[in-house]
Amino acid sequence: SQQGEEDPQALSIQEGENATMNCSYKTSINNLQWYRQNSGRGLVHLILIRSNEREKHSGRLRVTLDTSKKSSSLLITASRAADTASYFCATDARVTGGGNKLTFGTGTQLKVEL
Amino acid sequence: KAGVTQTPRYLIKTRGQQVTLSCSPISGHRSVSWYQQTPGQGLQFLFEYFSETQRNKGNFPGRFSGRQFSNSRSEMNVSTLELGDSALYLCASSLKSVYTKDEQYFGPGTRLTVT
Repeated sequence: SQQGEEDPQALSIQEGENATMNCSYKTSINNLQWYRQNSGRGLVHLILIRSNEREKHSGRLRVTLDTSKKSSSLLITASRAADTASYFCATDARVTGGGNKLTFGTGTQLKVEL
Repeated sequence: KAGVTQTPRYLIKTRGQQVTLSCSPISGHRSVSWYQQTPGQGLQFLFEYFSETQRNKGNFPGRFSGRQFSNSRSEMNVSTLELGDSALYLCASSLKSVYTKDEQYFGPGTRLTVT
């Protein structure tokens, strides 16, 4: 089953607008990561936020993490057509029997229109 | 540094056949993970290898297996293919494993179609 559930499932905005995606998860985590996937290709890592961090920035990306609510958000500011892609959150959490596993959410499909 | 490479990129197989997919991680990365991506189930974790040992396994039947070689290259095998095995198979490599999962570097994937 998916650890992360993302909201919305799909988002369509105009170029220049901001896009916000949310991720909720169920268990305690070590870190949460966001990835982008362009149309059936490999995923690209965007940003990693650790469980003791609340906010992180990278270029036009801003990620927040609220461990009390078990949720995270990804904000893309001043969106561009090239940002059109699917965005996934992934949680790093301990698994039964030892070790950690990265579990991906259901993804948000973002479309940025000219 | 060269990125993660996967071969073949596309594959068409018939039900009942078996298939082997290959993944070469980024040089220096010792952890290799495999994922299956389908429209219905999304991204599902298959297994992870680190230093030639399977460290974690997802909820897939025994028809799915893998291995890792001493040079960190990895292969996954699916025997007795079913129509539902049609998917994009993604390989990812990273520096760390076991106790923490850091940034994963993904390959372009192998698109498997079972007819």
